Amino acid sequence: DPKIIQKPKYLVAVTGSEKILICEQYLGHNAMYWYRQSAKKPLEFMFSYSYQKLMDNQTASSRFQPQSSKKNHLDLQITALKPDDSATYFCASSQEARGSDYTFGSGTRLLVI
Amino acid sequence: QQKVQQSPESLIVPEGGMASLNCTSSDRNVDYFWWYRQHSGKSPKMLMSIFSNGEKEEGRFTVHLNKASLHTSLHIRDSQPSDSALYLCAASIQGGRALIFGTGTTVSVSP
Repeated sequence: DPKIIQKPKYLVAVTGSEKILICEQYLGHNAMYWYRQSAKKPLEFMFSYSYQKLMDNQTASSRFQPQSSKKNHLDLQITALKPDDSATYFCASSQEARGSDYTFGSGTRLLVI
Repeated sequence: QQKVQQSPESLIVPEGGMASLNCTSSDRNVDYFWWYRQHSGKSPKMLMSIFSNGEKEEGRFTVHLNKASLHTSLHIRDSQPSDSALYLCAASIQGGRALIFGTGTTVSVSP
């Protein structure tokens, strides 16, 4: 059973539209993260949440908004989509402790046309 | 400048051979290192972590860390075709939660 569930697996969106990427983790972790990976850039940190609070935000654009409705959920809302947003978005989680291992979800592949 | 640099970019290793991958950080505040493996179309999976100077071995995988030079290396012995993947080095910075990843080394094991 996957311990971190990301939905959907694949997503095609039109430029200018808005999408929400879903992430749920069943590892009992208290920290969750979003990363982005594209052909042009390495795995890039976007956000970290700890106990449902935003702790770090490395995303320059306000078009990306994380949302945590439950302790084990961290969704990512993306508005005004652009073709450059095309990437695979990975959710990850860990215990809130230095040196804790991250576990990654299977990712959502987003294509913006 | 990328805070975590990996070399080489790609590597071809014969089956049964040894693969050696390098990773260096330019940030003196790095405290921990990880190695992840990512097969094509899949998510990164943690291979090994190393936090102290020295060497750590798990099966066919060995990692080294020199904290003074902020250099870590991963060695894969008796390489198998299933080891063909992108290998990512990651580091955490003191005071931060994020793992910073390098651009990776693509390893291809030729049968």
